[in-house]
Amino acid sequence: ETGVTQSPTHLIKTRGQQVTLRCSSQSGHNTVSWYQQALGQGPQFIFQYYREEENGRGNFPPRFSGLQFPNYSSELNVNALELDDSALYLCASSLPPGALNTEAFFGQGTRLTVV
Amino acid sequence: AQTVTQSQPEMSVQEAETVTLSCTYDTSESDYYLFWYKQPPSRQMILVIRQEAYKQQNATENRFSVNFQKAAKSFSLKISDSQLGDAAMYFCAYRSEDHGGFKTIFGAGTRLFVKA
Repeated sequence: ETGVTQSPTHLIKTRGQQVTLRCSSQSGHNTVSWYQQALGQGPQFIFQYYREEENGRGNFPPRFSGLQFPNYSSELNVNALELDDSALYLCASSLPPGALNTEAFFGQGTRLTVV
Repeated sequence: AQTVTQSQPEMSVQEAETVTLSCTYDTSESDYYLFWYKQPPSRQMILVIRQEAYKQQNATENRFSVNFQKAAKSFSLKISDSQLGDAAMYFCAYRSEDHGGFKTIFGAGTRLFVKA
């Protein structure tokens, strides 16, 4: 176990709805990254949060947004869900760039199905 | 843009034998990290081994070792004395710093089967 927890583990939503996924980072980790992993593919970087601000983003539309809270936990919000948003969503926490050990620890993911 | 390519969708190895998983990447940066992650059916990504690009010496972690060829942009993973528990998806990943944060790019993965 890495100490990174994600909730819920599974979720089914209807096209057009909105969803919020949650991640609690490992103790002491103030950097959180989110990834989308479609079936049979590698994870794709969505964005990263550090000190409650987004400091990196992949090629995802603005309907993918996030938050980081003072306790370093994070949320991923997806609006106007599309069928192609069905995927495993992974959260990873780490120390920021420049730290001695920046190894990323992953949660077990949230499996989102859009119908 | 950086890319990571894993050309072997599936690999198979006999228990106790050695297997090598291939990975190539493309980047114009000189400072970066490379990783191999294991993803078992439980879905959780587990770090297997990491390599800093500025280090010439290949990283090793017990039965896992890498062959890092910076000029060729190649980063293969060798698993020695394969065990049944090694069966999983393996992802090669490239990470660099981008605007004060990390940006990690994963390959498509190689599914490793271990035969008893």
